Amino acid sequence: GQNIDQPTEMTATEGAIVQINCTYQTSGFNGLFWYQQHAGEAPTFLSYNVLDGLEEKGRFSSFLSRSKGYSYLLLKELQMKDSASYLCAVGDSNYQLIWGAGTKLIIKP
Amino acid sequence: ETGVTQTPRHLVMGMTNKKSLKCEQHLGHNAMYWYKQSAKKPLELMFVYNFKEQTENNSVPSRFSPECPNSSHLFLHLHTLQPEDSALYLCASSQERVPPGELFFGEGSRLTVL
Repeated sequence: GQNIDQPTEMTATEGAIVQINCTYQTSGFNGLFWYQQHAGEAPTFLSYNVLDGLEEKGRFSSFLSRSKGYSYLLLKELQMKDSASYLCAVGDSNYQLIWGAGTKLIIKP
Repeated sequence: ETGVTQTPRHLVMGMTNKKSLKCEQHLGHNAMYWYKQSAKKPLELMFVYNFKEQTENNSVPSRFSPECPNSSHLFLHLHTLQPEDSALYLCASSQERVPPGELFFGEGSRLTVL
């Protein structure tokens, strides 16, 4: 079966760096997505990786290793507003999006 | 403001009621989706419409009935629901069918079935 694994919850300190991991097993691969969802709000797109390597976008970076079925989202200089759930999703060979259950990130002062 | 608006934001209904969820997108997108989001579970794709044509129905029970009258509007008609159907229902749109591409989500309709 197809599966996306990510930690259920993580805690980090304001100003620090946190890495949220995502491992996947899918039939085929058509890109990996990260979305951010604040409580009670719509998920919003953060990043899309289709090739191996690191994509940097301001304080957020996303890494992909297709051979290892692995990605991570790196958040630097954490701010209280980064408290949210982070959703990992992978496109499979049928161009279906397979979603992880999300990682709830708690930022403490 | 994502450009995707869902109403109502909250809905409580009995198992014998009939209600509808509405989604409207102001982005000029061609594809629209209904997702179910339950606590600590992955998003579940329910229905996909591409250019107003339903392209996917992921084994969703018939008590959920989608309707897409045009490329900007999407409805989810609900009848004789079960308590386990209580969840957040998210509407999304995209320029073309994803992946690839970005999904734009509405804020969701929180449904409680008593």
